[in-house]
Amino acid sequence: GAGVSQSPSNKVTEKGKDVELRCDPISGHTALYWYRQSLGQGLEFLIYFQGNSAPDKSGLPSDRFSAERTGGSVSTLTIQRTQQEDSAVYLCASSLAIRGWGNGYTFGSGTRLTVV
Amino acid sequence: KQEVTQIPAALSVPEGENLVLNCSFTDSAIYNLQWFRQDPGKGLTSLLLIQSSQREQTSGRLNASLDKSSGRSTLYIAASQPGDSATYLCAVRLGGRISNTGKLIFGQGTTLQVKP
Repeated sequence: GAGVSQSPSNKVTEKGKDVELRCDPISGHTALYWYRQSLGQGLEFLIYFQGNSAPDKSGLPSDRFSAERTGGSVSTLTIQRTQQEDSAVYLCASSLAIRGWGNGYTFGSGTRLTVV
Repeated sequence: KQEVTQIPAALSVPEGENLVLNCSFTDSAIYNLQWFRQDPGKGLTSLLLIQSSQREQTSGRLNASLDKSSGRSTLYIAASQPGDSATYLCAVRLGGRISNTGKLIFGQGTTLQVKP
């Protein structure tokens, strides 16, 4: 597609439930990133995909968080047993990763997750 | 560890003023620096991307400069308008062999209000 698409745009869930957030990157972008933005906080790196593999998962806050990417395209971020502190905007971005990192990022509009 | 700082945290100016937003980073080993705009409740929109070998980039009323050796970038907005009101984020893309996932390190942002 023309841009990075994220769904749902808003999600309200009860504490303890599992949620799945979806990201559809720009076609041909091999690099995909998930970031989290909590209220009043900066953007926090979660995970990076190159193709379908995730060489850097260092930002995932706990083992309740996992992510996968299939077909070098769509990615899903799963949060199990959600907690109130998981409430945040989850942003996905994609980038070309050809001959280095000289290309910019394109972000999606984000998924606003509220855990009640 | 790369740290990105933006000053000021908030800025309020009357319409028509020219203004400068500042960004500093601690490690000069970057691939590029990107300025983003974020409107309340929205995702990030890329404004300007400066490669590490470049000194500035311009787009319309926006001009971004980069001084890699001193670890500084500025975003200059000419003839500000109420529609420029938003949060402006600076982010550096890590370079080097060790951290070559291409992830971005963000500043905390400058929230700009342009009063009519």
